Amino acid sequence: QITLEESGPTLVKPTQTLTLTCTFSGFSLKSRRVGVGWIRQPPGKALEWLALIYWDNEKRYSPSLKSRLFITKDTSKNQVVLTMTNMDPVDTGTYFCVHSDRLPPYLAYWGQGTLVTVSS
Amino acid sequence: DIQMTQSPSSLSVSIGDRVTITCRASQVINNYLAWFQQKPGKAPKPLIYAASSLHSGVPSRFSGSGSGTDFTLTISSLQPEDFATYYCQQYYVYPLAFGQGTRLAIK
Repeated sequence: QITLEESGPTLVKPTQTLTLTCTFSGFSLKSRRVGVGWIRQPPGKALEWLALIYWDNEKRYSPSLKSRLFITKDTSKNQVVLTMTNMDPVDTGTYFCVHSDRLPPYLAYWGQGTLVTVSS
Repeated sequence: DIQMTQSPSSLSVSIGDRVTITCRASQVINNYLAWFQQKPGKAPKPLIYAASSLHSGVPSRFSGSGSGTDFTLTISSLQPEDFATYYCQQYYVYPLAFGQGTRLAIK
């Protein structure tokens, strides 16, 4: 059974860096074609893809946010970490961790999401 | 970047209705199209992948069709638990992209 759980701060101040951790189980990020990534959703708005990291350490980022994002994996801990720099109130929203086991990446499994509020 | 456009953005429907939601991609996406259902405060749930393949455990009243740039999600007979927002998403090229969503409301 595949599970993903997001963790991190619920409140960050403008200009701060956000660090979110996705802890997963039920699969290995060493397996071919497996990827873990992040999607976000501002309150009342649509979903937005942020980043993906693959079993071979290939990383993909949203072009509009690429300069602010960094994604890493720790296969020994079954974790993927996303950092987003220079946070702004428009970055407020729910951040979801997602899993794919194929290429191109079909996002078949989602975490429950974590709400991040950016406010001073 | 590929843009995904859903229509309508909202729909008032009744139990038992046949519901059709359309999604258009700004470029050909070779059927790498998924549909998700999201209820308030919950994570999206996968419904359809590869344009027409039903995700495991999804009721057969949901179906997907289309090719090239034009795709459709159909709910054959709407059930009470189907009132939600639906998103299409292309995963053919980066950046991955979602439609703006279609909200189903009770008529």
